[in-house]
Parts: sequence; C-alpha cells; structure tokens
Amino acid sequence: QVQLQQSGPGLVKTSQTLSLTCAISGDRVSSNSAAWSWIRQSPSRGLEWLGRTYYRSKWYEDYALSVKSRIAISPDTSKNQFSLQLNSVTPEDTAVYYCARYDWNYGWFDPWGQGTLVTVSS
Amino acid sequence: DIQMTQSPSSLSASVGDGVTITCRASQSVSKSLNWYQQKPGKAPKLLIYAASSLQSGVPSRFSGSGSGTDFTLTISSLQPEDFATYYCQQSYSAPLTFGGGAKVEIK
Repeated sequence: QVQLQQSGPGLVKTSQTLSLTCAISGDRVSSNSAAWSWIRQSPSRGLEWLGRTYYRSKWYEDYALSVKSRIAISPDTSKNQFSLQLNSVTPEDTAVYYCARYDWNYGWFDPWGQGTLVTVSS
Repeated sequence: DIQMTQSPSSLSASVGDGVTITCRASQSVSKSLNWYQQKPGKAPKLLIYAASSLQSGVPSRFSGSGSGTDFTLTISSLQPEDFATYYCQQSYSAPLTFGGGAKVEIK
C-alpha cells in the first residue's frame, strides 16, 4: 500500500524558509491518478490545504491563495518524493504540516504522512 | 472558496450511544464530500467518501448521507475507540476545504 514519510526540521526562524520533504513508497510521484499535497493544522486555522503538485503530461502546481506568494511544491522523480518550501515564515505559520496523496478519481486524501510540528520562532 | 461548517463543534456521549454530526457547505458540492477521523497526535484517517461510501476497513457503525449543501455523519453505537475529532472535506472545487471539526468526548 502507499506510504508517505515526512522529513525536515521542526524549528524555523522567523523570516526564513520552511522546507519539508515527503518520500513516497507504493506509488509514483508522476502517477496520473494522484496529486501530492501539503496540508497544515493549527488551533487558529484548523486543517488548511496549502497546495499540490501533479503530473498530466507535464507538471502542474496549484496553491491556496493565502500562501500563494511564498510557497513552492515540487516533485523529485529521481527520489520519488515531493517537497514544500514556504518562504518568509512568521509565528503564524507554526503548525503541524502533513503531506497527503489526493486521489483524483475519488477526491479523497489518503494516505497522510505522519505529520511534522514546525515551530516558527525568532 | 467553499466554506464548510460543522456542528456541533463538540459533544459528549456514552459508549453505545448513537451520534450525528452535520456538515454544511456554503454552496453545493454535489456528493463530493469526505469524512475523516482524527485522534490526538495522529493524522486524519479517511472514513467516508463521496458522501456515503464507506472506506475499506471502516466499521459499518459509521455511515454518511447527504448531497448538495447538507451532510451528516452518523455513528450508530459509539465504541471506546470512536472518541476522536471528525472532519468533513469537500472535493468539489479547489481550494479543497475542511470543516472546523467535531470533537466527540466521553460523557
């Protein structure tokens, strides 16, 4: 079955870049039936979808408007993984970050990564 | 963006009770509505997809219904492992959005 394993630092300084990676097993990042997403969860914002990358003859990304100016989600086909970069972070970006597989056929997020608590602090 | 509103935000119930959680969308999402269960320190787990289809391996005491803007998740007889927070999520249009959650606590 598909499994997602997240990695990356749990502490980021204010104004710097948050970087997380999600390694995929049991599927391909270039799958035509999936989109590879990042979602975060905080007490103030709840569950917030941040964006996704997917392959349909070429690579596409789309992002939530709330972070569009400072986010990048990118695939790495050689390592079968995808990454999140969020620039110019503030304490408001403190949250648990999850990667997840979005199934285009059913519209669900499944599976999810284990989650990474990222704290933004000066 | 489509806003998803859940009610109640929390409830207390006893083992064996039946529980219903509602989710309302700010515009029609047809049947593009999923339900997840989340326990503390864990990622959400898919329970119901397409409003009423049970994900493989999920106990039959869970059921979903609705279409358009109004949806319900029902747990027919609460078990100890069901005490958790439940979220709805629309997949009708991007950005994909979640409800604020409904926490089911032990009475």
